[in-house]
Amino acid sequence: EAGVAQSPRYKIIEKRQSVAFWCNPISGHATLYWYQQILGQGPKLLIQFQNNGVVDDSQLPKDRFSAERLKGVDSTLKIQPAKLEDSAVYLCASSLTMGPPEGYTFGSGTRLTVV
Amino acid sequence: AQSVTQLGSHVSVSEGALVLLRCNYSSSVPPYLFWYVQYPNQGLQLLLKYTSAATLVKGINGFEAEFKKSETSFHLTKPSAHMSDAAEYFCAVSLSGNTPLVFGKGTRLSVIA
Repeated sequence: EAGVAQSPRYKIIEKRQSVAFWCNPISGHATLYWYQQILGQGPKLLIQFQNNGVVDDSQLPKDRFSAERLKGVDSTLKIQPAKLEDSAVYLCASSLTMGPPEGYTFGSGTRLTVV
Repeated sequence: AQSVTQLGSHVSVSEGALVLLRCNYSSSVPPYLFWYVQYPNQGLQLLLKYTSAATLVKGINGFEAEFKKSETSFHLTKPSAHMSDAAEYFCAVSLSGNTPLVFGKGTRLSVIA
C-alpha cells in the first residue's frame, strides 16, 4: 500500500511569513495526526483528526497554527505568521482507527527552517 | 498523565555487540508501548509494540523488547548490532482508547566498526 505522503519535503521562509504543509494519509485511515519534531527532541502532537473532525488540538498554538481536514482525507497545516522557534520537522501520521492503537504510519516529514 | 523517559540521549556500541536502549514509562493504567526508529531525513518506522499480550515482544530487524510492569520499563534490545542499526530510536506510550502517542526524547544509536 502507498504510504503517507507529505509535501513539500523542505521549506525555508523568513519570520512573519506564512507557510502550509500538505498530508495525504493511507487510504482508508480515519485518524490523522500532525506532530512537530524540534531538533534533538521527540515528536510532539499538535492535532489529531478523526475523519474530518478535531479530536485533540490542545497543544496547537492556535494564535498562529491552523489545520483542517475538510473531506476526511487530505489535511493541511498552516503557520501564520511563522516564528524562529517554529523551525522543526512536521510529521504527519495516520492510523486505521483511534484505538486500541495499532501504531501509526508516518510520512517522511516537512523540514521547516525559519530565518 | 502518561509519559516516557529514555535514559541516555546517545548510545555507542561496537558492531556485533549487544544493543540496549532504555525506556521507562509513567502511566496510571496499563499502557500500550511502542518503539520507533528514525533514519536521517525520514519519518518514523514502527519497530515493535506491546499491547498487553506477551510481555516479550519481537519486532523487525532482530529487535525485541520486554515489558516489565514491576520496573515500569520497556527496554529495547538486539543481540548483535549492525552498522545499519545506526539511527534515532523513540519510545512511545499510549493509554487504551483514543489517546494519541506520547514520545520520549529519543536515543541516538551509533555503531562503531
